[in-house]
Amino acid sequence: VQVVESGGGLVKPGESLRLSCAVSGLTFSDAWMSWVRQAPGKGLEWVGRIKARPAGGTIDYAAPVKGRFILSRDDSQNTIYMQMSSLKSEDTAVYFCAYVGRAPSILNVWGQGAPVTVSS
Amino acid sequence: QSMLTQPPSASGTPGQRVTISCYGSTSNIGRNGVDWYRHLPGTAPKLLIYNDNSQWSAGVPARFFGSKSGTSASLAISGLQSEDEADYYCAAWDDSLSGYVFGTGTKVTVL
Repeated sequence: VQVVESGGGLVKPGESLRLSCAVSGLTFSDAWMSWVRQAPGKGLEWVGRIKARPAGGTIDYAAPVKGRFILSRDDSQNTIYMQMSSLKSEDTAVYFCAYVGRAPSILNVWGQGAPVTVSS
Repeated sequence: QSMLTQPPSASGTPGQRVTISCYGSTSNIGRNGVDWYRHLPGTAPKLLIYNDNSQWSAGVPARFFGSKSGTSASLAISGLQSEDEADYYCAAWDDSLSGYVFGTGTKVTVL
């Protein structure tokens, strides 16, 4: 299983950015996926999880991003997306995409991360 | 988002045993399995232990051992090696938050 993030970059406060996560090596339509971030000098922070459609496709978000970030998936492209809006300086972090190898959120395959910087 | 509590650092000499604690609550560790990850800055985190005490794969050395009691958990590293220097995080699903919470992280140093 391989996970590859893309779409990171530098944006101004209040702007939006979309991250992508391409997955290969498994039946993607059955995959649950998560996003985790690490701000500079800080620890790991769970951002959200999207279940596979056969499991209901439910999406859960961490409180700091709920209402601003939206997770989605395109099973035809083996890709999940995270649309980030109303970005704040505290959203500056490396964002990791990870495969949930076992419910509820055991993350056994991680990407290398996509850096996002929110600064004026 | 609440976090699980870990000591900021732990250290030992080669060959020693180091134990990292992880404190939570009834809504996370008390009800759900605890997972442990190792992270080297600039790299992808790696799953070591899941569901309290199961090693994820044959690639995880047997000297990594997880345990749990009540609302706290521990990761023990026996036979400490220089390659074990990294940041270690516990994590668990939190039923009250409907989210996955990570520990504050522990930096392990091999003296």
